[in-house]
Amino acid sequence: AQKITQTQPGMFVQEKEAVTLDCTYDTSDPSYGLFWYKQPSSGEMIFLIYQGSYDQQNATEGRYSLNFQKARKSANLVISASQLGDSAMYFCAMRGEFGTGGFKTIFGAGTRLFVKA
Amino acid sequence: KAGVTQTPRYLIKTRGQQVTLSCSPISGHRSVSWYQQTPGQGLQFLFEYFSETQRNKGNFPGRFSGRQFSNSRSEMNVSTLELGDSALYLCASSSGTSLRETQYFGPGTRLLVL
Repeated sequence: AQKITQTQPGMFVQEKEAVTLDCTYDTSDPSYGLFWYKQPSSGEMIFLIYQGSYDQQNATEGRYSLNFQKARKSANLVISASQLGDSAMYFCAMRGEFGTGGFKTIFGAGTRLFVKA
Repeated sequence: KAGVTQTPRYLIKTRGQQVTLSCSPISGHRSVSWYQQTPGQGLQFLFEYFSETQRNKGNFPGRFSGRQFSNSRSEMNVSTLELGDSALYLCASSSGTSLRETQYFGPGTRLLVL
């Protein structure tokens, strides 16, 4: 079965510093996509960054980068130069067919990030 | 390009009633997925519809059902509501043809069952 694990329920970071949010995953499928989403208190899910299982290089999107270590099955999100507006819930997700014929996305439990001024 | 819209945004129902939630995907997207988010269980996949066909289903009881129309709009129905069905219901749309594509989420419908 597929699984996403986020072991940090909450994290604090000082404004302008970098922070790493951990994510490990488990699947036997060779083809999958890894996503990070941000969910502010309003509830809407905002896409941040994507990493494909066959991608050789780590993905980057502005201040967001994904530290992809395939052998360790980890996909950590790094946020550089944290801003107060980064305070939110962050979800790691894995998308694949997983033998179902369609696409299915599995989410981790999330990490709540607090950015301190 | 308009984003994903969900109606209603808030809903209060009582146990035993049924409810229908609606999701309009981004124009051109043929895939709509539904998720339930609760504090205890987190985000859980309900089902995915693609071109009017249910392509994938999560582990939810038969009280949860859905459908998709020819214009890709999707509805989700929950019958015989239980207190535990109180949740934020999110739908997401995508073209449905690639793992690499981004799913775009709607603002959600907050359902409270009393």
